[in-house]
Amino acid sequence: GENVEQHPSTLSVQEGDSAVIKCTYSDSASNYFPWYKQELGKRPQLIIDIRSNVGEKKDQRIAVTLNKTAKHFSLHITETQPEDSAVYFCAASRYGGSQGNLIFGKGTKLSVKP
Amino acid sequence: DAGITQSPRHKVTETGTPVTLRCHQTENHRYMYWYRQDPGHGLRLIHYSYGVKDTDKGEVSDGYSVSRSKTEDFLLTLESATSSQTSVYFCAITVSRGGTYEQYFGPGTRLTVT
Repeated sequence: GENVEQHPSTLSVQEGDSAVIKCTYSDSASNYFPWYKQELGKRPQLIIDIRSNVGEKKDQRIAVTLNKTAKHFSLHITETQPEDSAVYFCAASRYGGSQGNLIFGKGTKLSVKP
Repeated sequence: DAGITQSPRHKVTETGTPVTLRCHQTENHRYMYWYRQDPGHGLRLIHYSYGVKDTDKGEVSDGYSVSRSKTEDFLLTLESATSSQTSVYFCAITVSRGGTYEQYFGPGTRLTVT
């Protein structure tokens, strides 16, 4: 079955710097890759996703890139702010997101220092 | 929040007792899921449902059962709770938006088995 590896497990940056979180997946049939942000004590919230027919997607300070050949995808946060501090999870699915079976990475704890 | 609620939000129970967690949605979405979240493991799928009375196992289904007798409710039961089932449990639904699909999480239930 699918396996998703996420790195690093912790990441500390200065406010204004960029942060990059990387994930690799094993199932070449996976075609949907969402990213979730989870603040302490709260539910995971979808922040951006990408599908296998697209190489990059941007939403303001957040971008995600996908390399299908290498089977990895990355989250890029530019101009980081203290409110970006949270745990970020990547996930992969072979069903285009239409049904479950999201396989998650183990998370990256991002700390943004003022 | 896609109209998802979970009850109870917190529960402490003793080893060997049965426990049922409820997930309720108000928008008639077809797919519903139960995940557990543990430090160092990210989010892992327990069971999911693709319709009334239609359910299937996820990656960590042992010791859990589910039922879905109505579209809006998805119940997770621990037949005989064990300390290893101490966790935060999240329900999720798949929402179709503009031809694409996104998965949204409920607020979570913190379960402690003593």
